[in-house]
Amino acid sequence: DTEVTQTPKHLVMGMTNKKSLKCEQHMGHRAMYWYKQKAKKPPELMFVYSYEKLSINESVPSRFSPECPNSSLLNLHLHALQPEDSALYLCASSQEKGRALLNTGELFFGEGSRLTVL
Amino acid sequence: DAKTTQPTSMDCAEGRAANLPCNHSTISGNEYVYWYRQIHSQGPQYIIHGLKNNETNEMASLIITEDRKSSTLILPHATLRDTAVYYCIVTYPYSGAGSYQLTFGKGTKLSVIP
Repeated sequence: DTEVTQTPKHLVMGMTNKKSLKCEQHMGHRAMYWYKQKAKKPPELMFVYSYEKLSINESVPSRFSPECPNSSLLNLHLHALQPEDSALYLCASSQEKGRALLNTGELFFGEGSRLTVL
Repeated sequence: DAKTTQPTSMDCAEGRAANLPCNHSTISGNEYVYWYRQIHSQGPQYIIHGLKNNETNEMASLIITEDRKSSTLILPHATLRDTAVYYCIVTYPYSGAGSYQLTFGKGTKLSVIP
């Protein structure tokens, strides 16, 4: 199984709603990532979890709250979002970097959750 | 600052080789060149990576110049399904521990034409 599964594929929410995006992988990867991609722009890194601990937060507003409940799951909790937060949210996973000789440095991406904030 | 420079867009006839260039003149000695692509409305997909030797896999070939300041991704027989944005990324994958950091540039939009 070399898939990263993201749900939901599409989400429409109001600015006062609370919703969550979910990401799951069963490749035994211990690093998981959230990227944000606006239309016609490259993906931008938001958060990185390594061994279920938050290791990188790229100055993301607190209305985005990541959670990694176990090594297979990654959530992104959304609250009080703005219309400009509408984007494709991509989850990725990779083997941990510590096993350098065995790793290619490849990130496996899901197909993304397309979020629209009204 | 962007570590790589790629053309904004390129066209390629179906069945012909697609050659996608990337300049990375400030690459350091231990940094690798990675290529990913993103087909419309899908997540990015890893293609290939290399340090200084030319590399080939089932998807593509990667040619890195001897001075390592530029590289070319070659899709030997482009099909319509190869239409995508191709990202060239320079990074060092083996420092520290835990996670990798991929920073995407603007990429090249490749259109394969029938």
